[in-house]
Amino acid sequence: DVQMTQSPSTLSASVGDRVTITCRASQSISSWLAWYQQKPGKAPKFLIYKASSLHSGVPSRFSGSGSGTEFTLTISSLQPDDFATYYCQQYNIYPWTFGQGTKVEIK
Amino acid sequence: EVHLVESGGGLVQPGGSLRLSCAASGFTFSTYSMSWVRQAPGKGLEWVSYISSSSSTIYYVASVEGRFTISRDNAKNSLYLQMNSLRDEDTAVYYCARAYCGGGSCYGSFDSWGQGTLVTVSS
Repeated sequence: DVQMTQSPSTLSASVGDRVTITCRASQSISSWLAWYQQKPGKAPKFLIYKASSLHSGVPSRFSGSGSGTEFTLTISSLQPDDFATYYCQQYNIYPWTFGQGTKVEIK
Repeated sequence: EVHLVESGGGLVQPGGSLRLSCAASGFTFSTYSMSWVRQAPGKGLEWVSYISSSSSTIYYVASVEGRFTISRDNAKNSLYLQMNSLRDEDTAVYYCARAYCGGGSCYGSFDSWGQGTLVTVSS
C-alpha cells in the first residue's frame, strides 16, 4: 500500500499567517493527490484535486503543489474558518490511502 | 444541490451484520462512481470500497475483502454496503462519497460526502 505521511501533525497559527502542510507518499503517485478539510463532527470538504487544481467554490487562499512523492497545501492568509484538520489522499494506486491528518489550531 | 444521506448504522455484536444505505439526489447518480470511506472515533479517514457507475468494477481495502460487499441500484439512486462478520475494528462513522468527475472521466478523489452513519461493533 502507498503510505501517506503528513507533517506536521499539529500546527499552531494565527489569523493572517501563511500556513504550509506537507504530504509525502511512500512511492510516486504522479499528481493523483487530493486535499480535504474536516471540522469536528462534520464530513470532509473537498479542496484540491490532481495536486494543484482548486475545486469549484474553494477560496483562492488555498493552493496545492507537488508531484511524484512530495506535495504541499498552502493557505496564504489563514482565516478563522480555516481552523480544522486537513487530510491528503492519493488515488493513483489501490487501495486509495489518506494521510493521518494535520490539525491547524489557533495560536 | 448534491445530497447524500447514509442510513443503517447502529450497534451490533462482533460477528454480526449490518447493511448501510446511501440515498443520492441532486445529480445523475448513474453516471458517477461511488465509494465508502470510514473514520474510527478520533482517527483519520480510511477508504473502504469503490464501485463504478455501472457496477462493473469494484475494489475493497484488504481489511474488509470477503466480509463487505458494495452494490448500487441506479434506478433507486442508492448505494449500499453489506457488512458481515463485523469486528471491533470496524467501529467507525461510514461516509458515502461521490467521485470527482471532469472532462468525461471520474477519478479517485471525492467531491461530495454524506453526513455519515455510525457503526459500533461491541458486545
